[in-house]
Amino acid sequence: DQQVKQNSPSLSVQEGRISILNCDYTNSMFDYFLWYKKYPAEGPTFLISISSIKDKNEDGRFTVFLNKSAKHLSLHIVPSQPGDSAVYFCAASVNRDDKIIFGKGTRLHILP
Amino acid sequence: DAMVIQNPRYQVTQFGKPVTLSCSQTLNHNVMYWYQQKSSQAPKLLFHYYDKDFNNEADTPDNFQSRRPNTSFCFLDIRSPGLGDAAMYLCATSRRSGGEQFFGPGTRLTVL
Repeated sequence: DQQVKQNSPSLSVQEGRISILNCDYTNSMFDYFLWYKKYPAEGPTFLISISSIKDKNEDGRFTVFLNKSAKHLSLHIVPSQPGDSAVYFCAASVNRDDKIIFGKGTRLHILP
Repeated sequence: DAMVIQNPRYQVTQFGKPVTLSCSQTLNHNVMYWYQQKSSQAPKLLFHYYDKDFNNEADTPDNFQSRRPNTSFCFLDIRSPGLGDAAMYLCATSRRSGGEQFFGPGTRLTVL
């Protein structure tokens, strides 16, 4: 049973607009969440993380929001750029010292 | 540049013929991981090493073994590959357990 769910396999967004990628989780023990980005023929690269003691973490154009009561997090990219076209993986762990569980990923297409 | 290297990038083997995938890192990280990722699926952790301590996931088949002869290298041995073992195999490293993971580009395994 999937503990980390990314229900949208793909998403298309116009360049310059906001991209919102969503992630749901089922394990209430998760308290650390990460987003990874993957280009074709490359391994995933770490993008941004958030601890459960926060509800928002921002890094440049990337912001992650965490709603613990809904067991939901989202990644916002503003403004979206062509180089953002990639697969984005949501991941979670029970604590920062534990293994991380990945979602299936969402493929983001930024349209010109 | 410090990095995680996987060789080969593409590996073709025959059903039942043992195969070894290799991973090396120049990051001097303590932890090395092996993930299996099938098409449109989440990366699935097979096992990891914290230094020389081997940690096997409960659902990793016995067909999969690993060796870490030194800090820099880690190998994935598939003793008798089946058609279901065809996948992308990702190696990753982190400085500590649960920390941000750095991934290699992956080895795509085809089983004929």
